[in-house]
Amino acid sequence: DTGVSQDPRHKITKRGQNVTFRCDPISEHNRLYWYRQTLGQGPEFLTYFQNEAQLEKSRLLSDRFSAERPKGSFSTLEIQRTEQGDSAMYLCASSIGDLPGETQYFGPGTRLLVL
Amino acid sequence: GQQLNQSPQSMFIQEGEDVSMNCTSSSIFNTWLWYKQDPGEGPVLLIALYKAGELTSNGRLTAQFGITRKDSFLNISASIPSDVGIYFCAGRLGKLTFGTGTRLTIIP
Repeated sequence: DTGVSQDPRHKITKRGQNVTFRCDPISEHNRLYWYRQTLGQGPEFLTYFQNEAQLEKSRLLSDRFSAERPKGSFSTLEIQRTEQGDSAMYLCASSIGDLPGETQYFGPGTRLLVL
Repeated sequence: GQQLNQSPQSMFIQEGEDVSMNCTSSSIFNTWLWYKQDPGEGPVLLIALYKAGELTSNGRLTAQFGITRKDSFLNISASIPSDVGIYFCAGRLGKLTFGTGTRLTIIP
């Protein structure tokens, strides 16, 4: 399978705990994006990487959130001291670049529930 | 965060009917995309539009990129049960900005 993969698919945690999600993009895709989707809403942009460089971060990405893409391949998104409001689907997408025709392909998402 | 205005919010139709939904924005985008999302899954790309005025078809799906670059519509002809799901428009200027979604339900 050459699509975007995410792990885990589901995560239940208690408030205050730290969680880490992983995204493996499509091979040779230079850009990797993280989005968050709450119930009944469309996905909202969090951050993106061009290779290993994190180029943009949304205001939605509070200090408790950190994303890395150390070798320009897979990426991790960590949430520290989780809050109930962090409960959402976290989606990863990848693309070759940003030229017309280079569209973003999404993974299946990690659904987080903070109790 | 910003979300595009997408309408209708939900649709209840009978199998075989045609469907039309649209998306508007206060901002200009250089690409418009339409995705479908099934429960518990990530969005799947249906159609991508790259030029203002472009009209593109993918099977029973037809989408257009508005001339002003601030809107797009998606039509589905002769709906079938597997069309059920949530449809999102997205404008791209680097990152994607998504619409609020249209939930399509087919009444038996």
